[in-house]
Amino acid sequence: QQPVQSPQAVILREGEDAVINCSSSKALYSVHWYRQKHGEAPVFLMILLKGGEQKGHDKISASFNEKKQQSSLYLTASQLSYSGTYFCGTDYSGGAQKLVFGQGTRLTINP
Amino acid sequence: ETGVTQSPTHLIKTRGQQVTLRCSSQSGHNTVSWYQQALGQGPQFIFQYYREEENGRGNFPPRFSGLQFPNYSSELNVNALELDDSALYLCASSLWLAAHEQFFGPGTRLTVL
Repeated sequence: QQPVQSPQAVILREGEDAVINCSSSKALYSVHWYRQKHGEAPVFLMILLKGGEQKGHDKISASFNEKKQQSSLYLTASQLSYSGTYFCGTDYSGGAQKLVFGQGTRLTINP
Repeated sequence: ETGVTQSPTHLIKTRGQQVTLRCSSQSGHNTVSWYQQALGQGPQFIFQYYREEENGRGNFPPRFSGLQFPNYSSELNVNALELDDSALYLCASSLWLAAHEQFFGPGTRLTVL
């Protein structure tokens, strides 16, 4: 029941916007978003709970559509530091987060 | 506040050998989860420990085992290493609460020859 992320890769110029989607075929309790730079550990971005909650900080925000079992990550006015691979991790149990991660979306920001 | 630490950073083993990886959880966290990340893939859940007991396991064979200690640190043991075990092994610590963020350590890069 691995969630499906789209697109697989995105190339942007600095200042452009991006949307990364994460879809599940199974009902979700929560969605966790992470960014991983090459050779580094995944860095936590945010959690969204079922209920259509939207969250954000700085120029990164996310939404959770419970009816569609889908979450979207929005990156606004992208900066060079946003480059990396973005993973969504899905929690189906509502327990202590045994996360199932998508295959990742590679984001490249060029000057 | 101390972050999640893992040791060693890199490890090279040969097929059939055994390996032990270590993880110290972030201060205040009582739950440790282990993930395997193959090159170009997302992390895959191996198992989770809370109160020194395994709480849930992913699709990994019994030769993958673990421990959690009273100070919440944890070990991942892999017996009879196979070439496909080559990967980045990540541990993540969190609080035993629903929908609580997990913080990952830097990982151990295991190469099996």
